[in-house]
Amino acid sequence: EVQLLESGGGLVQPGGSLRLSCAASGFTFSNYAMSWVRQAPGKGLEWVAAISGSGGSAYYVDSVKGRFTISRDNSKNTLFLQMNSLRIEDTAVYFCAKSGVGPTLSHFFDYWGQGTLLTVSS
Amino acid sequence: EIVLTQSPGTLSLSPGERATLSCRASQSVTSSYLAWYQQKPGQAPRLLIYGASNRATGIPDRFSGSGSGTDFTLTISRLEPEDFAVYCCQQYGGSPPITFGQGTRLEIK
Repeated sequence: EVQLLESGGGLVQPGGSLRLSCAASGFTFSNYAMSWVRQAPGKGLEWVAAISGSGGSAYYVDSVKGRFTISRDNSKNTLFLQMNSLRIEDTAVYFCAKSGVGPTLSHFFDYWGQGTLLTVSS
Repeated sequence: EIVLTQSPGTLSLSPGERATLSCRASQSVTSSYLAWYQQKPGQAPRLLIYGASNRATGIPDRFSGSGSGTDFTLTISRLEPEDFAVYCCQQYGGSPPITFGQGTRLEIK
């Protein structure tokens, strides 16, 4: 059974940093690209970043480029999102999501974690 | 960047009725790389359809997807009480960025 478990959310002041983690199980982690998708309170879904199965390629939505870094540790089946220079508008539930098509960067999501809430506020 | 526009914003129907949800892209979606998700309050999204018309594992056959190019449709043939939720489309054609539509809320009439 595929499981994705996010952790690391919390309350951070504007300008602060936080790292999210997503522990994966039930599939061969390195064979699949992974993404982070966020949902601001009462709003729709927004894709944030994707990383290839090997970790060698990554892509970001324009609003987080230069501030967020997606990475993965395939030996520990874990996905990360390092978030720096946080802004109030980054407040959202952050989901990690597994690619349904393999290692490529652009994909749909066949499994999702339950999400972790990031609140950016002073 | 491909912008996805969903309509209607809210759809009010009764159980047993047919629901038709639209997703229109600002430019052609490569190879019909279009997915649909269902999301209930407090839950993660659930994949329903990928590749415009392929049902995901375990999805009932009352859900169907169609379309190509810039116009896509999700149809629920006979609404069950558990189908009332928010539905969102997503395109994943070509290179990122991946984009989502803003969602359609399907509510009980």
